[in-house]
Amino acid sequence: QVQLQESGPGLVKPSETLSLICTVSGDSISSYYWSWLRQSVGRGLEWIGRFYTGNTKFNPSLKSRVNMSVDTSQKQFSLKLSSVTAADTAVYYCARGIVGRTSIYFDSWGQGKLVTVSS
Amino acid sequence: SYALTQPPSVSVAPGETARITCGGYDIGSKRVHWYQQRPGQAPLLVMYYDSDRPSGIPERFSTSNSGTMATLTISRVEVEDEADYHCHVWDSNNGHSFGGGTRLTVL
Repeated sequence: QVQLQESGPGLVKPSETLSLICTVSGDSISSYYWSWLRQSVGRGLEWIGRFYTGNTKFNPSLKSRVNMSVDTSQKQFSLKLSSVTAADTAVYYCARGIVGRTSIYFDSWGQGKLVTVSS
Repeated sequence: SYALTQPPSVSVAPGETARITCGGYDIGSKRVHWYQQRPGQAPLLVMYYDSDRPSGIPERFSTSNSGTMATLTISRVEVEDEADYHCHVWDSNNGHSFGGGTRLTVL
């Protein structure tokens, strides 16, 4: 059974870059749809972006500040979010997506990493 | 983006039936997925493609989807069902959209 684990700093200063890594175990990292999502306190889930079939795609609202990459040898994929503000304070999740004929859903999630943006 | 609307909270007594709605324009034409999130935990997929259940999810969980409303129904509610529930839709035009989540309280 696949397991995902987020890692990275829990505190980032305003205007700096948030960097997280998701380590995958129990399954191959190839051929799947890997995503980052986040959840602010008391709010719903927000999709940030994905890496799939060698390509990335991002939420339009974050596109200018987001980058993702995959290291298949380490079975890791990463998130970088630049120029952060307090509004980026959230629990960040990595998740595996299953791509079907008509939709995509997330069947496995990491435990989540709380990232606080504060000086 | 595609807006999904969920009630903030639903309350039921143990053994009763809980219905959690997810409203969206023409949602009946889309595939809806549902996640359960207990306090301090990551979301857990409980229903996908409208009516498929992952292994380990009880048959007490079922869904319907028509018109402008999708519904997650939990029959014979147990204390362990107390959690937040999120609906999720993906389509090629709008990408991923999530409802705001519904807190299910078991009285």
